[in-house]
Amino acid sequence: DVKVTQSSRYLVKRTGEKVFLECVQDMDHENMFWYRQDPGLGLRLIYFSYDVKMKEKGDIPEGYSVSREKKERFSLILESASTNQTSMYLCASSHPLAGADTQYFGPGTRLTVL
Amino acid sequence: DQQVKQNSPSLSVQEGRISILNCDYTNSMFDYFLWYKKYPAEGPTFLISISSIKDKNEDGRFTVFLNKSAKHLSLHIVPSQPGDSAVYFCAASARDYKLSFGAGTTVTVRA
Repeated sequence: DVKVTQSSRYLVKRTGEKVFLECVQDMDHENMFWYRQDPGLGLRLIYFSYDVKMKEKGDIPEGYSVSREKKERFSLILESASTNQTSMYLCASSHPLAGADTQYFGPGTRLTVL
Repeated sequence: DQQVKQNSPSLSVQEGRISILNCDYTNSMFDYFLWYKKYPAEGPTFLISISSIKDKNEDGRFTVFLNKSAKHLSLHIVPSQPGDSAVYFCAASARDYKLSFGAGTTVTVRA
């Protein structure tokens, strides 16, 4: 069964802190994604990666960076957290060959920046 | 600028009746469409998809219809059940591995 896990379900941080969100998938998927979900805006793509050490900017990369050192792990980094980064963060993965565009999501991390 | 639009933020339907969710898109490069379902405090789960070579795809109680000329798709749930109460997201792909999502429609199924 497909499994994407995220390191925390809920996180509270202070403005200016560096924040790490971790995502792990056990499906041997090449592609991994980070989204944020906000009311009325749906899911917006922050960054994605189609291979180890590869990364591409999504629609809203400002204020974020990512790291993919291993195939199964994709990290989202908030260099200096701000209150407008309070959101639900969702990680997803997909396989480039099998149903390429069907993405499988983790449970999400609700981040609050005070 | 959102390329995928779900213009109805919410939908209330009686148990046993049909739920119809609508989605419009603007990018003519999109050729693969998906619906996801999301419960509170959980990640979205894949529900059903359709390729642009088809105009209908059915999976149990769920049917997705695609009208390419109108750039419109819809999801029908028949019959609606209380467990269907969730947020439904429409998504589209231009086969570049990325998905563009709509804002979501919250469905409430009344007993």
